[in-house]
Amino acid sequence: EAGVAQSPRYKIIEKRQSVAFWCNPISGHATLYWYQQILGQGPKLLIQFQNNGVVDDSQLPKDRFSAERLKGVDSTLKIQPAKLEDSAVYLCASSLDWASGTDTQYFGPGTRLTVL
Amino acid sequence: DQQVKQNSPSLSVQEGRISILNCDYTNSMFDYFLWYKKYPAEGPTFLISISSIKDKNEDGRFTVFLNKSAKHLSLHIVPSQPGDSAVYFCAASAQSGGGADGLTFGKGTHLIIQP
Repeated sequence: EAGVAQSPRYKIIEKRQSVAFWCNPISGHATLYWYQQILGQGPKLLIQFQNNGVVDDSQLPKDRFSAERLKGVDSTLKIQPAKLEDSAVYLCASSLDWASGTDTQYFGPGTRLTVL
Repeated sequence: DQQVKQNSPSLSVQEGRISILNCDYTNSMFDYFLWYKKYPAEGPTFLISISSIKDKNEDGRFTVFLNKSAKHLSLHIVPSQPGDSAVYFCAASAQSGGGADGLTFGKGTHLIIQP
């Protein structure tokens, strides 16, 4: 079974530029998550989708971050404009069904973003 | 306010011995706990989980213990092998709005297995 795919793996941009990340979850997984992992910290949830609807985006900085999952499969996360403090690894995860309660999340390899 | 705490940033254990990684949490609403293992330049890999209705779950060399009254869980690896050297994250979730929330992670413990 193929895992969660993410691209690009690495991205370097200058502050105030825009950037987008792509995620393809495990086939059949209804729930998709985006996490931000700053160096030395654990991953922090940014947004959670169930199919193409948003379940939780309370920790997403909505003035600069946006995410969509239009057809309930792939997802994109965008930062516009980027700040120095956005330098982090952006992890995408998917799970079978958030509503089950005990639902294991499987992570992609992440995209390492460096903002100069 | 950190709701999931891993107080040991690193741990060194001899090959063949037992590794014990600890995790404390403060949110009493958490009811599902997971351990993930992470190698450099890779995403976290699921290792083992435990529901709050249990106090122990075993999978091969890995056992997770949950003490709800103390809000504490631990991961035991026995025997420890060189390939176990990695960063281990403790994570927890709570149910709300009809399903499980996204995970809350600790900062991780870097486990080093010495030959």
